[in-house]
Amino acid sequence: AQSVSQHNHHVILSEAASLELGCNYSYGGTVNLFWYVQYPGQHLQLLLKYFSGDPLVKGIKGFEAEFIKSKFSFNLRKPSVQWSDTAEYFCAVNRLYNNNDMRFGAGTRLTVKP
Amino acid sequence: NAGVTQTPKFQVLKTGQSMTLQCAQDMNHEYMSWYRQDPGMGLRLIHYSVGAGITDQGEVPNGYNVSRSTTEDFPLRLLSAAPSQTSVYFCASSRASGGNEQFFGPGTRLTVL
Repeated sequence: AQSVSQHNHHVILSEAASLELGCNYSYGGTVNLFWYVQYPGQHLQLLLKYFSGDPLVKGIKGFEAEFIKSKFSFNLRKPSVQWSDTAEYFCAVNRLYNNNDMRFGAGTRLTVKP
Repeated sequence: NAGVTQTPKFQVLKTGQSMTLQCAQDMNHEYMSWYRQDPGMGLRLIHYSVGAGITDQGEVPNGYNVSRSTTEDFPLRLLSAAPSQTSVYFCASSRASGGNEQFFGPGTRLTVL
């Protein structure tokens, strides 16, 4: 069964610091990759997604992620975080064109100190 | 558009009680799903539906039933609640089972005593 690993459970940064959250998946086939964000008290929202094409994907709020197929990784980055980025971040993967087996990572809680 | 709505927001049950978590979407999405979110485990798929009248099991279906009589509604039933079902439940929908973005509801926080 496919699985998704997020390397960090809780990350604490100061404002303006750079962010990189790791995500690795275990699935040999073609996959869709997603990063979702859950702000405190809110529901999950899509940050960005990768289906095909350019492996560097840009999302909302200045986030980007790079798909490295050889490493089965899809790390999320942001050059300069803000206090408002405090949230929980989930990496997710499913088989190409198939939501039925979407797998989420355990999540990484990001705290940004003002 | 209201998007994906869920009721109730909070619920406390006693072991053995039954209840239904409601989910509705107004985006005419074919695909709907239920997840549970537990600390340190991310979201896990309980059941899903690719259209009215069609449902199937996800990763953790035991103890839950679903039905899909209309495109808009996808209720989740707990037949006999257990403490292990204490969790936050999210409903999601998307245009089809085609890898499209899933839109999530606000969640239902369920506690089973």
